[in-house]
Amino acid sequence: EVQLVESGGGLVQPGGSLRISCSASGFTFSSYAMHWVRQAPGKGLEYVSSIGNNGGSTYYADSVKGRFTISRDNSKNTLYLQMSSLRAEDTAVYFCVKASRASYSLGYFDYWGQGTLVTVSS
Amino acid sequence: EIVLTQSPGTLSLSPGERATCSCRASQSVSSSYLAWYQQKPGQAPRLLIYGASSRATGIPDRFSGSGSGTDFTLTISRLEPEDFAVYYCQQYGSSPGLFGQGTKLEIK
Repeated sequence: EVQLVESGGGLVQPGGSLRISCSASGFTFSSYAMHWVRQAPGKGLEYVSSIGNNGGSTYYADSVKGRFTISRDNSKNTLYLQMSSLRAEDTAVYFCVKASRASYSLGYFDYWGQGTLVTVSS
Repeated sequence: EIVLTQSPGTLSLSPGERATCSCRASQSVSSSYLAWYQQKPGQAPRLLIYGASSRATGIPDRFSGSGSGTDFTLTISRLEPEDFAVYYCQQYGSSPGLFGQGTKLEIK
């Protein structure tokens, strides 16, 4: 059974930094691309970032480019999102998502974690 | 980037009725790389349909997807109480894989 468990969310001040993690199990982590998708309170789904199966390729939404960094450790079956220069509008539940293929492009999002809440507020 | 527009924003129906959700793309979606997801309150989204018309593992056959090019449809043939949720479409044929704004299916 595929399981994705996010952690590391919490309250951070504007301008601050936070790293969230996603621990994966139930599939060969190193064979699939991974994504982060967020959802602000009461709003829809917003694509954030993607990483290829070996970590060699990454992609970011314009709203987070230059502030967020996605990475993975295939030896630990763990996905990360390092967030810096955080803004109030980054407040959201962040979902870790498994891709259906090794490349982050041309793949649908087949399994989702339950999410971790990041709140940016003073 | 391809922008997806879903309609209606809210759909009010009764159990047993047929539901139809529309997703229109600003440009043609290559090779029907279009997916549908269901999200219930307090839960993560769940994949329903990929490739515009293929059901994901474990999805009941009352859910069906159709369409190509710029116009896609999710149909639920006979609504069950557990089907009342928000439905999102997403194109994954070009990066970024943007989502539509969602259709809320509520009990009438």
